[in-house]
Amino acid sequence: GAVVSQHPSRVICKSGTSVKIECRSLDFQATTMFWYRQFPKQSLMLMATSNEGSKATYEQGVEKDKFLINHASLTLSTLTVTSAHPEDSSFYICSVAPPQAVIQYFGAGTRLSVL
Amino acid sequence: DQQVKQNSPSLSVQEGRISILNCDYTNSMFDYFLWYKKYPAEGPTFLISISSIKDKNEDGRFTVFLNKSAKHLSLHIVPSQPGDSAVYFCAARNSGTYKYIFGTGTRLKVLA
Repeated sequence: GAVVSQHPSRVICKSGTSVKIECRSLDFQATTMFWYRQFPKQSLMLMATSNEGSKATYEQGVEKDKFLINHASLTLSTLTVTSAHPEDSSFYICSVAPPQAVIQYFGAGTRLSVL
Repeated sequence: DQQVKQNSPSLSVQEGRISILNCDYTNSMFDYFLWYKKYPAEGPTFLISISSIKDKNEDGRFTVFLNKSAKHLSLHIVPSQPGDSAVYFCAARNSGTYKYIFGTGTRLKVLA
């Protein structure tokens, strides 16, 4: 069964609106979750590491004010794309890693299309 | 600078034959490597892993080989099945971190 639940699977929105994506760890408590972005025919690029109870750690070049991450509980992290623009259109995927584990388990992803 | 490279964007293999997917890396500090399979519009599914202290790991039809001196790993699928058709990503982890760096993927097509 699924280890990670990501919602919604697809979003179409107008430019300037904000979009929230949820990532839930179903099988274990996750102090750390990860947010990735994938452009067509490209690799998965790590955007940020979401830390429960503290600020997210953003990768170089990722705007923290643009991509707000909240990890308020051990099973839920949210990514909010604020004031979305067409160039934010992409496939966003979250992942979780069980404590002390090497493997990351991914959600099904969210296809964001900004018109 | 791409630290993890999958130089073959696509590969076609006949059903029943072996599929070999390759991955090269540049950072000698990588200590764990993972292979994922991804269908369109879905998240990656974990397939198999290998630690840098090993040179081979096998799980059913999937075997991963690691050549540290060449900084090269490969995923062997045998026998290949049409359901194996997907994009395969290799990922490498920097020692002491949770972060994985992904390759650009190889699209495998298994022909019936």
